[in-house]
Amino acid sequence: DGGITQSPKYLFRKEGQNVTLSCEQNLNHDAMYWYRQDPGQGLRLIYYSQIVNDFQKGDIAEGYSVSREKKESFPLTVTSAQKNPTAFYLCASRASGNTIYFGEGSWLTVV
Amino acid sequence: GQSLEQPSEVTAVEGAIVQINCTYQTSGFYGLSWYQQHDGGAPTFLSYNALDGLEETGRFSSFLSRSDSYGYLLLQELQMKDSASYFCAVRDQGGKLIFGQGTELSVKP
Repeated sequence: DGGITQSPKYLFRKEGQNVTLSCEQNLNHDAMYWYRQDPGQGLRLIYYSQIVNDFQKGDIAEGYSVSREKKESFPLTVTSAQKNPTAFYLCASRASGNTIYFGEGSWLTVV
Repeated sequence: GQSLEQPSEVTAVEGAIVQINCTYQTSGFYGLSWYQQHDGGAPTFLSYNALDGLEETGRFSSFLSRSDSYGYLLLQELQMKDSASYFCAVRDQGGKLIFGQGTELSVKP
């Protein structure tokens, strides 16, 4: 089945650690996105990529990094520079127009 | 820059009709879309408008007026399962896709 797979679903990070969230899609979509969602809040754009080997910062890129070496993959690294990383992270890919498809999300908690 | 405004919460009763409005500011408008999100889940696509007018998909309809930078989502024959958060989103010419803060819809018996 086609879709977007995020892993892990739950992740715990210690202070000072970098962690990487995986996002893989087999929908053959060019555009991919990472969003952060805090409880009761909207989705805030972290990074997006329109094409392989190219990506742009969103509204809250500080403390995060991404890569887009393959069309299918768009991993997000939450670095130690991100001081408040506890949130729900959503990866998405876009078909034509504005129709985007989300993964199931990853819950990141700092311990 | 881009920004979207939508009401934070709306309450309606089962069987009723509810409208959720969205106003936006963006450079190079490439369409307005709507998403539904239940607690703890990922958003799912509901509707998309690139041109002015009404798009109907079952009980859900979405409207766009580009001259007014305004759109709305219309939910008919409300059911309890429609209780969720609803987000509008716009895309600009650079591919950036921004979401509103969301409207929490509560459907009462």
